[in-house]
Amino acid sequence: GENVEQHPSTLSVQEGDSAVIKCTYSDSASNYFPWYKQELGKGPQLIIDIRSNVGEKKDQRIAVTLNKTAKHFSLHITETQPEDSAVYFCAATGNTNAGKSTFGDGTTLTVKP
Amino acid sequence: SAVISQKPSRDICQRGTSLTIQCQVDSQVTMMFWYRQQPGQSLTLIATANQGSEATYESGFVIDKFPISRPNLTFSTLTVSNMSPEDSSIYLCSVEDAMNTEAFFGQGTRLTVV
Repeated sequence: GENVEQHPSTLSVQEGDSAVIKCTYSDSASNYFPWYKQELGKGPQLIIDIRSNVGEKKDQRIAVTLNKTAKHFSLHITETQPEDSAVYFCAATGNTNAGKSTFGDGTTLTVKP
Repeated sequence: SAVISQKPSRDICQRGTSLTIQCQVDSQVTMMFWYRQQPGQSLTLIATANQGSEATYESGFVIDKFPISRPNLTFSTLTVSNMSPEDSSIYLCSVEDAMNTEAFFGQGTRLTVV
């Protein structure tokens, strides 16, 4: 089955700096790569996703890149704000169900004001 | 988007007892998913629930321990049976949008077994 590794497990940045979280996956058949933000006491919320036919996607301060050859994808957050502090999960799925994903172990991002 | 309500939001249970978690969605969905998130850890898929058929369980999860019901297209329940402290986790319900392009999660049920 699919195996997703995520690094780093914790990340602390100063407000205004950029944050980068990286994930690798094992199954070359995976074709959908979502990123979720989980705040304390809440369920994960999709913040951005990318499909295998695209190399990069951007939404305001958030961007995701995908390298299918190397089987890795990354989340980039620019101009970080304290409200970006949360746990971020990457995920991968190779079938047609976005809801049936294999998750990375999560990255706890702390943005210091 | 889909709005998902889970009940209860949290519970403290005695070992050996069972707890049923409810998941209600504000729109009809084909598939519903149940995940477990152990303290400080990632999400692990327990099973996929389709209306009108038995749930499909992932490796390491069995129906006797985690029976699931899916009586209609907007509702599902997950029961955690014969609980032990190792079952202490957050249990999350998830659905896909109509195009299967995005997943939505409930707020989770935080279960503590004592």
